[in-house]
Amino acid sequence: AQSVTQPDIHITVSEGASLELRCNYSYGATPYLFWYVQSPGQGLQLLLKYFSGDTLVQGIKGFEAEFKRSQSSFNLRKPSVHWSDAAEYFCAVGAPSGAMRFGAGTRLTVKP
Amino acid sequence: GEEVAQTPKHLVRGEGQKAKLYCAPIKGHSYVFWYQQVLKNEFKFLISFQNENVFDETGMPKERFSAKCLPNSPCSLEIQATKLEDSAVYFCASSQLDSSNYGYTFGSGTRLTVV
Repeated sequence: AQSVTQPDIHITVSEGASLELRCNYSYGATPYLFWYVQSPGQGLQLLLKYFSGDTLVQGIKGFEAEFKRSQSSFNLRKPSVHWSDAAEYFCAVGAPSGAMRFGAGTRLTVKP
Repeated sequence: GEEVAQTPKHLVRGEGQKAKLYCAPIKGHSYVFWYQQVLKNEFKFLISFQNENVFDETGMPKERFSAKCLPNSPCSLEIQATKLEDSAVYFCASSQLDSSNYGYTFGSGTRLTVV
């Protein structure tokens, strides 16, 4: 069965520092992987997605993620965090035939 | 349009009352998904449709929850006899589910509060 684990419930980084949010997945075939961001009281915004090809995926707002099949991971990174990046981040795995499964989310706090 | 429209944004119901939520998917998207997000931030999949047909209902609490997607109408999610634990934000998403362009577009959600 598909599943997604985000090991970090809450991460705090200083503005300007680099960021890495971890995501591990369990899936029987080549997964479709996603990162979404949710600001308080808002819906989900897609940051980036991976289907195939280059394992380093570029997304919006300066985010990138790297698919590592050997580690079953799809970690999200940003070289320099801005205060506006404070939000909840969700990793998800899906397949065209069915529903998407989400991780429990990682809350990002940005210190001035 | 290019957005998934969910109405209402907020809904308050007394315990035992009925709640009905609506979702207008993006035109041309043939798949609609409903998710429930409770306080712990977990997104629980409820049900999906391919056009008017139920595609996957494995997450649906069948006793009190029902959903429909009828032609030329917004999709709906209905909860009969709401309970306190139904308080959550309900998100709808639509997709083409084309493997070359797979991805959801989410609506902004309906916050249901059961008092």
